[in-house]
Amino acid sequence: AQSVTQLGSHVSVSEGALVLLRCNYSSSVPPYLFWYVQYPNQGLQLLLKYTSAATLVKGINGFEAEFKKSETSFHLTKPSAHMSDAAEYFCAVSARGGSQGNLIFGKGTKLSVKP
Amino acid sequence: NAGVTQTPKFQVLKTGQSMTLQCAQDMNHNSMYWYRQDPGMGLRLIYYSASEGTTDKGEVPNGYNVSRLNKREFSLRLESAAPSQTSVYFCASSELAGGRTDTQYFGPGTRLTVL
Repeated sequence: AQSVTQLGSHVSVSEGALVLLRCNYSSSVPPYLFWYVQYPNQGLQLLLKYTSAATLVKGINGFEAEFKKSETSFHLTKPSAHMSDAAEYFCAVSARGGSQGNLIFGKGTKLSVKP
Repeated sequence: NAGVTQTPKFQVLKTGQSMTLQCAQDMNHNSMYWYRQDPGMGLRLIYYSASEGTTDKGEVPNGYNVSRLNKREFSLRLESAAPSQTSVYFCASSELAGGRTDTQYFGPGTRLTVL
């Protein structure tokens, strides 16, 4: 069975500081991994995804994530936070062998950006 | 392209009333999903449809029914609403890639309150 753990339900950073949102996954087969962002009162939008090509994945709005198989991690980073990055971020895993058609989502990390 | 659309955007029901949430996608995806989102719980899968003519239960199916009307449309029905069904409901669609779920595209959500 697949699972996702996001460490920290709330993260607060200052504008211009590094953003690091942590995601660890569990999967018995090679996974696809996703980061989604949700702005207030909106649906989820894809930030980036890993599908077994390059381990460093670049996404929209300056975000990137690195797949580390040895650590079963897929942490999301951005070098310099902007006020507009304040949102909730969800990590998700999809793996062959699980219930067909499912993404398994983490519980989310709410990012606050202080001026 | 509208992507994934949901109606209504907001709804207030009394306990015991019924209603149907509508979802449509114009991306020609085979798979469609219904999730609910509650604070601190992340996204929980209610039902999904891997292809036209098939539906399967997700993590929290009790109290809900679904219909995959055609390839574009996937509706969610609450037969007798309960206060515990107060939530934000999201519809999503995707394709499979390499035997697993690829990017899911989300609608804007329906905010449901059951009094």
